[in-house]
Amino acid sequence: QVQLVESGGGVVQPGRSVRLSCAASGFTFSSFTMSWVRQAPGKGLEWVTFISYDGSKTYYADSVKGRFTISRDDSKNTLFLQMNSLRVEDTAVYHCVISTEVVAAFHHWGQGTLVTVSS
Amino acid sequence: SYVLTQPPSVSVAPGQTATITCGGNNIESKRVHWYHQKPGQAPVVALYFDSDRPSGIPERFSGSNSGNTATLTISRVEAGDEADYYCQVWDSSSDHVVFGGGTKLTVL
Repeated sequence: QVQLVESGGGVVQPGRSVRLSCAASGFTFSSFTMSWVRQAPGKGLEWVTFISYDGSKTYYADSVKGRFTISRDDSKNTLFLQMNSLRVEDTAVYHCVISTEVVAAFHHWGQGTLVTVSS
Repeated sequence: SYVLTQPPSVSVAPGQTATITCGGNNIESKRVHWYHQKPGQAPVVALYFDSDRPSGIPERFSGSNSGNTATLTISRVEAGDEADYYCQVWDSSSDHVVFGGGTKLTVL
């Protein structure tokens, strides 16, 4: 079955960087688009970024554009999120999600990894 | 940027019908997806492409999309339906995925 396991979260100071990973299994990773969706404590869902199945297209929420970078390594079935210049408001659980195309639903979600930005 | 508006909360008695709306400018031109999320769990697709149900979602869940409002309808509500519900679309004009603010469904 489809499994998405995020890692790399923790406590980080404002202005610092962190890299999240998402290990995927149970499906043909290279055939699917991937996204990161975050949820601040007690708040709603916020889409962060998207990468196409072949890595040729990436899109970012305005709140993270220029600071975050999404990438994928199909040889390792792994999705990454490089997060730079972190802000307190980036504190959230970050979920790795898959979809068949950009307009499709996110049918599979990882359990998420918590990033806490605090001094 | 495109905005989706949901009521913060909806309350309904068991056995009654719950209606959760998702408002957006000309939303009928977009494909709407709905998720439910229980505390401490990841979101799960409740409906996709306006009204399609994934396997495992009961027929009590239905959806529509017309004009400026998409609607998730849950018939014969059960206690287990209590959750947060989110609508979501892809906005091609901004190349952004957009989520609604979420609606907390309370079963009285």
